[in-house]
Amino acid sequence: DVKVTQSSRYLVKRTGEKVFLECVQDMDHENMFWYRQDPGLGLRLIYFSYDVKMKEKGDIPEGYSVSREKKERFSLILESASTNQTSMYLCASSLGTSGGAPLNEQYFGPGTRLTVT
Amino acid sequence: DQQVKQNSPSLSVQEGRISILNCDYTNSMFDYFLWYKKYPAEGPTFLISISSIKDKNEDGRFTVFLNKSAKHLSLHIVPSQPGDSAVYFCAASADLFLGKLTFGKGITLSVRP
Repeated sequence: DVKVTQSSRYLVKRTGEKVFLECVQDMDHENMFWYRQDPGLGLRLIYFSYDVKMKEKGDIPEGYSVSREKKERFSLILESASTNQTSMYLCASSLGTSGGAPLNEQYFGPGTRLTVT
Repeated sequence: DQQVKQNSPSLSVQEGRISILNCDYTNSMFDYFLWYKKYPAEGPTFLISISSIKDKNEDGRFTVFLNKSAKHLSLHIVPSQPGDSAVYFCAASADLFLGKLTFGKGITLSVRP
């Protein structure tokens, strides 16, 4: 079974703090993704990565950055947390192009509920 | 501009009856569609998918129908069970290589015992 783990289930940070959210997958997946989920807005893509040290902006990258130094780990960084970044953050991974099926199926971690006060 | 639309925020059905969850999309480049199910305090889990070369895919109680000309897909759950109560997200992909998905806002399904 694919396992995607996130470093914290719940996190409370103060405005202006630098926040790191960590995500690790154990299935050698090429692609990794960070989303945030907000009521009435669904899942919105923040950043994704299709290879080590590669990153692409998603739909809402402002205020965030990412790091992928190793294939299995994808970190989301809030450089200076703000109250409007209070949200549920979800990490996901997918196989990529290396055969198997379906290529686009993403496996999600349990999420991190971040509160910025 | 929302490319994947789930216009009904919620749906309530009786146990044993059919649940029909609808999804519309606007991007003609989408060629692969997925449904995810999400319980509170958990990450979404993959449910079923369909390629644009098909118009139906079935997996047990779950069937997804795709109408490309109408840019519409639907998820049918028969029979519905209380454990199906969750938020259902429709997602679409136009890039097989990157695997990037565009999600709808989700539909909250409640199955009444």
